[in-house]
Amino acid sequence: QSALTQPASVSGSPGQSITISCTGTSSDVGGYNYVSWYQQHPGKAPKLMIYEVSNRPSGVPDRFSGSKSGNTASLTISGLQAEDEADYYCSSYTSSSPVVFGGGTKLTVL
Amino acid sequence: QVQLVESGGGLVKPGGSLRLSCAASGFTFSDYYMSWIRQAPGKGLEWVSYISSSGSTIYYADSVKGRFTISRDNAKNSLYLQMNSLRAEDTAVYYCAREPNIVVVTATFDYWGQGTLVTVSS
Repeated sequence: QSALTQPASVSGSPGQSITISCTGTSSDVGGYNYVSWYQQHPGKAPKLMIYEVSNRPSGVPDRFSGSKSGNTASLTISGLQAEDEADYYCSSYTSSSPVVFGGGTKLTVL
Repeated sequence: QVQLVESGGGLVKPGGSLRLSCAASGFTFSDYYMSWIRQAPGKGLEWVSYISSSGSTIYYADSVKGRFTISRDNAKNSLYLQMNSLRAEDTAVYYCAREPNIVVVTATFDYWGQGTLVTVSS
């Protein structure tokens, strides 16, 4: 099972919005509404930020939102803050595995 | 509050074995699917294995199939990963994580442990 495709890095200034894409296939992202996003700060465990494409767990700021179109899912962070600087990973249910992760995206807040 | 605490990591020679444990608390462990997920140094996340709430259904990543065995003891609220025939490429921090949906696998992980480092080197 090949990893989902994410950009290696994105950046934005405080207050701006950024979007991270996560591209898969019809066997994973495109075929199921089970896409999740995780935030990971250095040396820490990942934290669930979005599940089932667009749902936020309790306690996650509404600045974080998720969406999906075809085989590509997206995480949007609006009103960027310094503490948002972290690595972000997407994951999806797959018909074969049952889990596949993206390669990760490093978000830099300028 | 939900807590997952891994243990058992360490330094092992190629071809050796190691058994990881994950102690769960703060929720009804026997209701939930659980997983092991690993992260090689400086690399991304890689899913390793899934086990159903009863232990009757198990999945493995191709990279560990035939070498790793996941198991659980619901009476002890514990998850395990027996790792045999270890290779250098198995070097990683190993996390246990909980699947929040108790009905179907959604490949979502809502709680993670702090991780335990496994280093395979001669």
